[in-house]
This record gives sequence, C-alpha cells and structure tokens, in this order.
Amino acid sequence: EPEVTQTPSHQVTQMGQEVILRCVPISNHLYFYWYRQILGQKVEFLVSFYNNEISEKSEIFDDQFSVERPDGSNFTLKIRSTKLEDSAMYFCASRRQNEQFFGPGTRLTVL
Amino acid sequence: SQQGEEDPQALSIQEGENATMNCSYKTSINNLQWYRQNSGRGLVHLILIRSNEREKHSGRLRVTLDTSKKSSSLLITASRAADTASYFCATAKNSGGSNYKLTFGKGTLLTVNP
Repeated sequence: EPEVTQTPSHQVTQMGQEVILRCVPISNHLYFYWYRQILGQKVEFLVSFYNNEISEKSEIFDDQFSVERPDGSNFTLKIRSTKLEDSAMYFCASRRQNEQFFGPGTRLTVL
Repeated sequence: SQQGEEDPQALSIQEGENATMNCSYKTSINNLQWYRQNSGRGLVHLILIRSNEREKHSGRLRVTLDTSKKSSSLLITASRAADTASYFCATAKNSGGSNYKLTFGKGTLLTVNP
C-alpha cells in the first residue's frame, strides 16, 4: 500500500542553523501539507501546497519557513534559522480526494 | 475559536470493553476525520465522515456525526491492548480553492489494559 515517507526521522540542530525536512508524498496525490506537533500539544497546520504554489499558510509559517517541490516526487520544508521553539514533530501529508495521509514525521530538536 | 476538542482527555478501560471518545467543534465543516497516534509516532487515518452523513462503520469502529450539535463520537468495540494510543478528531473545511486543511483537537489518550 502506498504511503507518505519522511526523512530524516530525527534531526538535531543548533539554534540559528538551517534545516530541510524531506517528504515523498503518495505518487498520484495532488495536495500537500505540512503540520507540526510540539510535544504534548495539538497537531497544527503550517502550510498547504497545490499546483506548485502555496494555497494557504498559518501564522506560524513566517518568512523563516519555505516549501518546495523541487522535482516530481519530493516535497520539502525549509527552516532558515531555527529557534528553540521550532523543536517539534513535523508531519507531511498528502491527499488526492478527502482523506489526508500522513507520514511518520520528523522529530526536530533545536539545541 | 478552538476546533475539534475531544473528551475525555484520557480513558482507561479493560480489554474487551468498548471505548467511546467525543469531539466537539465550533465552525461548519466539510468532513470530520479520526486519527490514531501511537506514542511518538505518525498519524494513522482511521475513518472519515462527511457533513451529510450521520453514522459510519469500519470494522470495530463506529463514528457518528451530529452537525446540529457540532459533535462527533468514535466508538471502538471489543477493545484490544493494541488499541492503546491517542485518538484525534480533525475537522476539514474547504476554505477556498484547493485548500482543505485539517484542524486537530488535543486528543484522547486511550489505555486498554490486558
């Protein structure tokens, strides 16, 4: 069964460093998302992406964040200068119709 | 406004018992979805119910939706220890164009004791 994959599973970085989180959505899906979950808190929407452009972003998704679909398969989330409060699980999701399918997540730890 | 608030926050039952979790929301929705998350792991899609549906079944799962009360329930029958996880409801609203973001609740932590 096709699934969303994410790499790395765990990323540790120093404050101020850039990180790129990678996702491979399900191949025939057209809509892509990033969410994050700070430890013990709700899963929060960050950004949605369709037809090679952002369709909606939350107030969390400030100019330190960017997304890209550099080729036909990968979907990346870049954080330019990480802060301590960016430490969270980051989930990628994709959908074709109504159900969103989530990847296993990347745990980002900012020291 | 907060969307998708589940209750109870935690539920502990014995194997074989039924588990019922509730979710309330505040705005209109297109559909409501339930997800499971094992500790520190990803979100697994369980079931989707559309705003024009009242009840849906999938295996041991039964979901109801009452749009007049803006609430949903997830029933897991004949629970197993492997059902131990956090369960989240997520509401989907098409806010225009292609967007269909999910708004999650805080979740119910279900513990099924063997």
